[in-house]
Parts: sequence; C-alpha cells; structure tokens
Amino acid sequence: DAGITQSPRHKVTETGTPVTLRCHQTENHRYMYWYRQDPGHGLRLIHYSYGVKDTDKGEVSDGYSVSRSKTEDFLLTLESATSSQTSVYFCAISPGGEYEKLFFGSGTQLSVL
Amino acid sequence: AQSVTQLDSQVPVFEEAPVELRCNYSSSVSVYLFWYVQYPNQGLQLLLKYLSGSTLVKGINGFEAEFNKSQTSFHLRKPSVHISDTAEYFCAVSDQGGDDKIIFGKGTRLHILP
Repeated sequence: DAGITQSPRHKVTETGTPVTLRCHQTENHRYMYWYRQDPGHGLRLIHYSYGVKDTDKGEVSDGYSVSRSKTEDFLLTLESATSSQTSVYFCAISPGGEYEKLFFGSGTQLSVL
Repeated sequence: AQSVTQLDSQVPVFEEAPVELRCNYSSSVSVYLFWYVQYPNQGLQLLLKYLSGSTLVKGINGFEAEFNKSQTSFHLRKPSVHISDTAEYFCAVSDQGGDDKIIFGKGTRLHILP
C-alpha cells in the first residue's frame, strides 16, 4: 500500500472553530489532493497541489485553505468550521502524468456540531 | 472544465448475472479515464484506467471498460458478478496535459442479489 497517513482519523468540533487535517506521504509523489465524500455527491475535489507551495482550487474550495511547505505534507484547514463541512475527508496522492493513478488515504471523519 | 456523469446511483443485479455501470464525461481536450471501487468501510482503490491506445481496458477482479470517444463514454462491465463485488463504483476523469485535476462522478452502488 502507498504510504499515506491522514490525521486525525476522527474529529468532533464545534461550529466556528478552526480545524486542520494533515496528510503525510512517504512516496515522494508530486501531486496531492483533498476530497470530501458525502452521500449523493460522491467525491468532490476541494484543493490540490502540484508541488511545494503550488496549490489550486477544486470544485468546492470555499471555506477551505491548504498549504504544502514540504513534499510530504499537505494540510487542509477549515478556517471556521460549519455544520455543512461535516464529511469524510480523503487525501490522495499521485505521481501524475502518464503514470496517473490516485492512491487514497484511509479518510478522516469530521463532525461539526 | 472536465466533468463526469454516472447515470445510475444504484444498480441491483443478481449474482452471476452480467452488469454494466454507465459513465459519461465532458471535456474540451483529450482525457484520462478511471474507475475506482470503494468496498464498505474502506478507502478507494483503482479498478482500471484508460490513458491511450486500445479502447478496451481490462482491470482487476474481472472488470473491463470501453472508451468510446464519439459517445464520450467509459462504461464498466463484468460478465458475471459475485457477492464480493458489492461496493460503490466511481468514474473519474483528468484532462491530458492539463492541470492534473481529477474529477469524480457521484458514484454507483452495486447491489448483488442472491
């Protein structure tokens, strides 16, 4: 299995608080992604990164920010959590290009009360 | 921007019967196409992918998919399903030579009936 670690695995927080989810990889892959999975919506791309300090928005980026200061770490921050951000968050990595294939982490279950 | 439509949210099928899960995509450029599977309470794993070349792609667990450029489709098929195929299946698209943004469809739940 690809070396991807998401932390925390579960988190319960209150509306209005900031939350940071961490994705750590040991594969030295260039691309890293954050998705959220919700019933009836499948996986929706929040943000992704194509290199250190290089990030871009996905389909549902409002209310989220990301940072990638090292190849191996990709942080997702909910600046002020809302109940609509209750979801399962998946990090994925990929070597990109013709070797395109996503490797997924185990997910983080986030509940915003 | 690329997008994916999975036409069926749920597909029930009897064990040992054939199945087809439908996927259509939209993009202004050439694409890479993928099918991922998510078993209950697990993460996603790749079933198969189309990058170029032969339009018929074979994947793991007896699944295959056919890329049809004229119909912008990438339907997933299996000739005989097993109870262990119970899962959610996601189609995904990425623009070739683009920004490596990978967009998923909403998923299709495959229910295997005994």
